[in-house]
This record gives sequence, structure tokens and C-alpha cells, in this order.
Amino acid sequence: KQEVTQIPAALSVPEGENLVLNCSFTDSAIYNLQWFRQDPGKGLTSLLLIQSSQREQTSGRLNASLDKSSGRSTLYIAASQPGDSATYLCAVSQGGKLIFGQGTELSVKP
Amino acid sequence: GAVVSQHPSWVICKSGTSVKIECRSLDFQATTMFWYRQFPKQSLMLMATSNEGSKATYEQGVEKDKFLINHASLTLSTLTVTSAHPEDSSFYICSASPQGPYGYTFGSGTRLTVV
Repeated sequence: KQEVTQIPAALSVPEGENLVLNCSFTDSAIYNLQWFRQDPGKGLTSLLLIQSSQREQTSGRLNASLDKSSGRSTLYIAASQPGDSATYLCAVSQGGKLIFGQGTELSVKP
Repeated sequence: GAVVSQHPSWVICKSGTSVKIECRSLDFQATTMFWYRQFPKQSLMLMATSNEGSKATYEQGVEKDKFLINHASLTLSTLTVTSAHPEDSSFYICSASPQGPYGYTFGSGTRLTVV
């Protein structure tokens, strides 16, 4: 059974720092991996999608990597801003379903 | 592109009544949609997979008779919480994915409060 784990569960950093969020999964037979952002009381916003054949994707200050063989993905946020404060979720697509991690709650202090 | 609209964004209902939540794909056709439930400070739990023109597939432990799912068209799936009780209060989110190697798009969620 696929299990997705995110570390850390919560993170508080000062504005301007570069930071890394980690995601690991137990079964490497995934279709793709997706990173989402969720603001309190809101739905999910897709940030980056990495296909199983890809190693990384970039969008603005965000960079996500994927290492299927080791079952790991990282989300790198450069020059963090208070507006980046949210919960970040990673999810792997497998068997036509998304399996989510528990999320990392990020707080960026001005 | 790939927008999913969910309505209502919040609803308060009395215990024992039923509530319907709609999920629409606005710019693509979705033969499959997904319904999730999220408790405070927790991740999303998949409740069921909604299949256009056929019965939904429910995850283990989800009551089919309480959470009725209808997917009558390629752009609309509905979740009806029947005979709602306070323990059904939660955040419900739907999602869908366009055909091809695309990711999933989520609705904005519905906050259900049963009083």
C-alpha cells in the first residue's frame, strides 16, 4: 500500500530564506507526483506536476525534483515571502488515484 | 484551463436534513471525478470516485447510503450528504483531471456545518 510522508510537519522561517520541503513515498510505481498549496479554508492550488519520467520542474521561485528510485521528492522555494505561508501537500498518482501526504505547514515571518 | 467549480462554498444545515454539493468541470469533460473529505489540520481523505454514467466507487469505510454520488454528465458530479449529523461536519473537496498526462485540478471546497 502506497504511503506518502512529508517532513517537516511545520516550518517557520524569516522572510527571504530559501527552504526545502520533503516528500517520500514507499512505492516507486507512480504515474506522476504533484505539489499543491492550500490556504486555510480553501481548496488546493496545483503548483508543479512532475511526470514519472521527469526529474524536475520549475515555476518561478519554485523547483520540484523527483527521484523515483529512492521514493523522494523535494520542493525548493527560493527567497521566501510572507505570501508563501500556507500548507504544502505532495501527492502521488497511482492506480488512477491521488495519495496525499500529511502536508507541511509553512509560515514565513516578515 | 482545467478549472473545477464547486458549489456551495459553505453551508449550514440542521441535523437530519440532506445537503447537495455540486462539482463542475468548466472547460473540459471529466469521465471521472473524485470526492475528498478533510478534517481540521489533516490531509485529504479520498471518499469515492465518481464515474460518469455508472455507479461511484467508494473507499473502504465510507457509507454509500449516507454519501450519495451522482455523475449524470461529463461536466457535473454531485455529492449528497443524507440525514446529516454533526459528525458529518467537515470540509469536502472535489477534483478532476483532463484527459492525458495532466495533473489533478481541485474545486474550492465546501465547508459543511451540521447543527
